[in-house]
Amino acid sequence: EPEVTQTPSHQVTQMGQEVILRCVPISNHLYFYWYRQILGQKVEFLVSFYNNEISEKSEIFDDQFSVERPDGSNFTLKIRSTKLEDSAMYFCASPINTEAFFGQGTRLTVV
Amino acid sequence: ELKVEQNPLFLSMQEGKNYTIYCNYSTTSDRLYWYRQDPGKSLESLFVLLSNGAVKQEGRLMASLDTKARLSTLHITAAVHDLSATYFCAVGGMYSGGGADGLTFGKGTHLIIQP
Repeated sequence: EPEVTQTPSHQVTQMGQEVILRCVPISNHLYFYWYRQILGQKVEFLVSFYNNEISEKSEIFDDQFSVERPDGSNFTLKIRSTKLEDSAMYFCASPINTEAFFGQGTRLTVV
Repeated sequence: ELKVEQNPLFLSMQEGKNYTIYCNYSTTSDRLYWYRQDPGKSLESLFVLLSNGAVKQEGRLMASLDTKARLSTLHITAAVHDLSATYFCAVGGMYSGGGADGLTFGKGTHLIIQP
């Protein structure tokens, strides 16, 4: 299965701090997604990103969130001024044709 | 708004038994996915169903899609303990943009298979 790599695997941050989650999608892919999964709940779509622009975003993806492609291979999800309810697993996903392959996720804990 | 409903949300069954998980969705879509998630792990792609009447099988799991009924099923045959996991269905199509669109997930079915 194609590999999507996320770092870090676990991050603990204090409320109000900024965090940056990183993803390396399938090689040379221009299209990728971020999803969130609060513990024990369903997976929720956050945003899709294509060729350096946001393609679609959900109502969850408010001004607190931003996505960037800081270099040719990495994508980032930035959460400004984290809140307790931001604690969740964050997954990036990279598509091949109609299938989406998920990274291992970053567990974000806001304390 | 696309809604995806799975049932049951929790299922405990014995090894060797058969069971079916159901996934209903509210609006037209031509893409339905099944994923498996083990505790604390990522989502493993099981099946991608792209057309009405599509049926796919992998080992003891078989998935089908009825786009007219907006229903997909995941059938488990002669369950074994290793199949214990949470199974999610997900539907594409709510978010436009081509390729593999942002998916709308069901709440998941937590499956426990007891020896």
